[in-house]
Amino acid sequence: AQSVTQPDIHITVSEGASLELRCNYSYGATPYLFWYVQSPGQGLQLLLKYFSGDTLVQGIKGFEAEFKRSQSSFNLRKPSVHWSDAAEYFCAVFNAGNMLTFGGGTRLMVKP
Amino acid sequence: DAGVIQSPRHEVTEMGQEVTLRCKPISGHNSLFWYRQTMMRGLELLIYFNNNVPIDDSGMPEDRFSAKMPNASFSTLKIQPSEPRDSAVYFCASSLRAWDNQPQHFGDGTRLSIL
Repeated sequence: AQSVTQPDIHITVSEGASLELRCNYSYGATPYLFWYVQSPGQGLQLLLKYFSGDTLVQGIKGFEAEFKRSQSSFNLRKPSVHWSDAAEYFCAVFNAGNMLTFGGGTRLMVKP
Repeated sequence: DAGVIQSPRHEVTEMGQEVTLRCKPISGHNSLFWYRQTMMRGLELLIYFNNNVPIDDSGMPEDRFSAKMPNASFSTLKIQPSEPRDSAVYFCASSLRAWDNQPQHFGDGTRLSIL
């Protein structure tokens, strides 16, 4: 069965610093991978997705993620964090049965 | 364009009462999903529909939970009778198609508190 692990429950970075959120997946076939962001009291918003092709994918709000098959990872990055990026971030893998399996989430806090 | 619309945004009720959560998917989307989010268990898929037909309800916790999709623009998730452990945020999501990995679009959720 597929699974997604986000090793960091909380991360705090200073505004303007770079960010990397880790995601590791377990899935037998080619994974379809997503990153979602959830602001307080809101639903999940899609940041970016990877289906195939270029392993570095660009998303909204200046985020990007890199798929590394050898490491079973799909880490999310941003070169310079803004205070408005404070939220919870979820990595998810999609299987052929149209089921999204989510990681436990990483809560990002941004220091001024 | 309107996104996925859920109602109510908040619901507080006493245990034993019937609770009905509502969802209007994005127009033209053929797949609809119900999720539950708790601190302990994270995001869990409860059930999903494709073309108004329930496809997989293996995530529904027990018989107290039921979901319907009478037409393409409306779905309900019902809990009867409700229990305090049902307290959670319930999300509805929709996607264009079920078979080619179209991204899911989420509503803002219903925060349910059972006293």
